[in-house]
Amino acid sequence: GENVEQHPSTLSVQEGDSAVIKCTYSDSASNYFPWYKQELGKRPQLIIDIRSNVGEKKDQRIAVTLNKTAKHFSLHITETQPEDSAVYFCAGSNDYKLSFGAGTTVTVRA
Amino acid sequence: IAGITQAPTSQILAAGRRMTLRCTQDMRHNAMYWYRQDLGLGLRLIHYSNTAGTTGKGEVPDGYSVSRANTDDFPLTLASAVPSQTSVYFCASSDWVGQPQHFGDGTRLSIL
Repeated sequence: GENVEQHPSTLSVQEGDSAVIKCTYSDSASNYFPWYKQELGKRPQLIIDIRSNVGEKKDQRIAVTLNKTAKHFSLHITETQPEDSAVYFCAGSNDYKLSFGAGTTVTVRA
Repeated sequence: IAGITQAPTSQILAAGRRMTLRCTQDMRHNAMYWYRQDLGLGLRLIHYSNTAGTTGKGEVPDGYSVSRANTDDFPLTLASAVPSQTSVYFCASSDWVGQPQHFGDGTRLSIL
């Protein structure tokens, strides 16, 4: 099955700086890669996703890049704000099963 | 407001008891999923259902069962709860397999 690894496990950034989270996957057949944001005590919420036929996708301050050859994908958050503080999860899927990374706790320092 | 409703919100249960976690969605999504979330392990798939009437095993299915009698409901049953099943359980749904999954608010379950 798919195995998704996520790094770093914690990330502290100064407000206004950029944050980057990286994930690698094992199954070359995986074709869908969503990112979820989870605030403390809340549900995971989809923030952006990318499919294997696209190399990059952007939505305002958030962007995701995908390198199929190297089997890794990354989340980029620019101009970080305090409300970006949360746990972020990457995931990979080759059909119906989403395999999640262990999560990255992002703290934005004011 | 359309979405996924999970019940109960939280529960403390004695080991050995039977427990059913409820999940209902009103988005007419075909696919539904159950995950457990444990600190440091992310979200792990327990069981899933691609369409009403079908179910499948995920990554950690042992000790759990599901049914999908109709499109809207996808209950998760612990036949005989054990302390290692203490976790936060999330139900999710998607229009079809391979489509974005939307999560419920979760059930916090403690087995003593």
